[in-house]
Amino acid sequence: DQQVKQNSPSLSVQEGRISILNCDYTNSMFDYFLWYKKYPAEGPTFLISISSIKDKNEDGRFTVFLNKSAKHLSLHIVPSQPGDSAVYFCAVKKFPTLTGKLIFGQGTTLQVKP
Amino acid sequence: GAGVSQSPSNKVTEKGKDVELRCDPISGHTALYWYRQSLGQGLEFLIYFQGNSAPDKSGLPSDRFSAERTGGSVSTLTIQRTQQEDSAVYLCASSFGGRGDLNNEQFFGPGTRLTVL
Repeated sequence: DQQVKQNSPSLSVQEGRISILNCDYTNSMFDYFLWYKKYPAEGPTFLISISSIKDKNEDGRFTVFLNKSAKHLSLHIVPSQPGDSAVYFCAVKKFPTLTGKLIFGQGTTLQVKP
Repeated sequence: GAGVSQSPSNKVTEKGKDVELRCDPISGHTALYWYRQSLGQGLEFLIYFQGNSAPDKSGLPSDRFSAERTGGSVSTLTIQRTQQEDSAVYLCASSFGGRGDLNNEQFFGPGTRLTVL
């Protein structure tokens, strides 16, 4: 049973435009949300996170939005650049947690065209 | 500085053989995690080590899978009697702490791609 879902396996965007990646979760007990970025043959790298007490967190070109009532998370990249082309995973944690384990979505492959 | 390293980067084995995958975490990180990514799937949690505490093995898919962490540093994931469905990329991550700490970023290694023929 998939607790974290990324329903779009891929997304193609023109350079300079906005990329919007979406993620849905099922458990309202999740209270910390993260986005990871993964290039081929590399491990995922942390991008941005948000806790459940906020609805928006911004870091440069990257903004994460959290809609708790809809159990929906999104990542906005503006403006998109070709170097942003990668697989993006959303991940969640439940706090308090005895472990830091993350629950990941399936990933969305973003292609930014020059 | 050195990140998380994993070896081998690729492993091809025959069904029924045992394999060992190694992870060297970032120095000073007390928490270590193993995940795997099967084709078309997200990362699936396998096991977690934190200091001297008993590991969280709740994600191990079967008793053919085991892991140990010696001296609080290097970890080895062992898969016995490998099956074709074990084929995946096995990723290791480490972080400072992990117990109840929201902001402990997990740093991932490049992974080991395991192919079971």
